[in-house]
Amino acid sequence: EVQLVESGGGLIQPGGSLRLSCAASGFTVISNYMSWVRQAPGMGLEWVSGGYSDSSTYYADSAKGRFTVSRDNSKNTLYLHMNSLRVEDTAVYYCAKGRDPIDYWGQGTLVTVSS
Amino acid sequence: QLVLTQSPSASASLGASVKLTCTLSSGHNNYAIAWHQQQPEKGPRYLIKLYSDGTHRKGDGIPDRFSGSSSGAERYLTISSLQSEDEADYYCQTWDTGLVLFGGGTKLTVL
Repeated sequence: EVQLVESGGGLIQPGGSLRLSCAASGFTVISNYMSWVRQAPGMGLEWVSGGYSDSSTYYADSAKGRFTVSRDNSKNTLYLHMNSLRVEDTAVYYCAKGRDPIDYWGQGTLVTVSS
Repeated sequence: QLVLTQSPSASASLGASVKLTCTLSSGHNNYAIAWHQQQPEKGPRYLIKLYSDGTHRKGDGIPDRFSGSSSGAERYLTISSLQSEDEADYYCQTWDTGLVLFGGGTKLTVL
């Protein structure tokens, strides 16, 4: 059974950094396209980043230069490293497997950027 | 530019059927899309992948009440025998080189 479990969210001040984790089971992260998708309060889904490997990851314009994705294959875990956080980054962040289509989603982790 | 357009809201009665629409931007008629359901206070769930020729592939455990079809730039999700738990937000999703894209979502109310 495929499962994605996010963690690492919380309250952070503007300008701060946070690392989100996505622990995967039932498949291997290394061989699959993985995405991060976020949802601001009361808003729709917004793709943040996605790719097949650390060196082959794409980012939305809102994330370029501030967010970085990495993988730990030994732990079968995906990470989202977020720097220079802004109030507008406040959202539930979902880890998702696949692209064409996204076929599994995590339950999400809430990131609140506020002073 | 690749864009997905959805109506913000839809409603239908319990036990009835409803057809939701996702429209691809001009020049992208051949793109496949996926539909996702997000019930209140929950994460999204993959429902179905739709190709331009109308063929489709459902996610694990998705009931037969959910079906899809295509016509030109339009991709449809039909939900039959509506149940109260079908009240949710529905998002279409597609992809291109280097990006994943979502429609704005349709909020379905079951009356």
